[in-house]
Amino acid sequence: AQSVTQLGSHVSVSEGALVLLRCNYSSSVPPYLFWYVQYPNQGLQLLLKYTSAATLVKGINGFEAEFKKSETSFHLTKPSAHMSDAAEYFCAALRVGAGGTSYGKLTFGQGTILTVHP
Amino acid sequence: NAGVTQTPKFQVLKTGQSMTLQCAQDMNHNSMYWYRQDPGMGLRLIYYSASEGTTDKGEVPNGYNVSRLNKREFSLRLESAAPSQTSVYFCASSIRDRVTEAFFGQGTRLTVV
Repeated sequence: AQSVTQLGSHVSVSEGALVLLRCNYSSSVPPYLFWYVQYPNQGLQLLLKYTSAATLVKGINGFEAEFKKSETSFHLTKPSAHMSDAAEYFCAALRVGAGGTSYGKLTFGQGTILTVHP
Repeated sequence: NAGVTQTPKFQVLKTGQSMTLQCAQDMNHNSMYWYRQDPGMGLRLIYYSASEGTTDKGEVPNGYNVSRLNKREFSLRLESAAPSQTSVYFCASSIRDRVTEAFFGQGTRLTVV
């Protein structure tokens, strides 16, 4: 069975510091991977996605993530944190079948709450 | 451009009461999903519908039923609410036949007392 693990339920950084949110997946076949962000009392918004085209993926708001098959990881980074980045971040995996069709069911990690201090 | 719309946004139920959460999408997506979000547990899939006319259980289906009314609408019903069903519920949709992201509604915050 596929699973997603996010290391660290809470991460705190200073404004301007590097943001690193960790995500590891476990499945025999590399899945497609996503990072979502959730601001308070809102739904989930897609930050970026990995669909095997390129291992370094750039998303919105200056975030990027690198897929590393050897480490089964898809960590999210941002060089310089901004106060507006404070939110909860979810890593998710999507199992993919032959021909690029998806089974459609996302498996989510537990979430990481990012706090940004002035 | 509405996307995925959920109603209601907030609801308080007494134990044993029933209610239906409504979800509609206007993106012509084939697949729709219901997730629940609980602190420290991420989002867990309750039920999904790969296409109109089909529904399947997800990870945590007990205590819930669903109806895929048509291609646009996918409802979630709690027949006899329990305090353990206090949660935030999200509906989502995606294109089934291409690998793409799911789009989420704004959520329904349900409290069962």
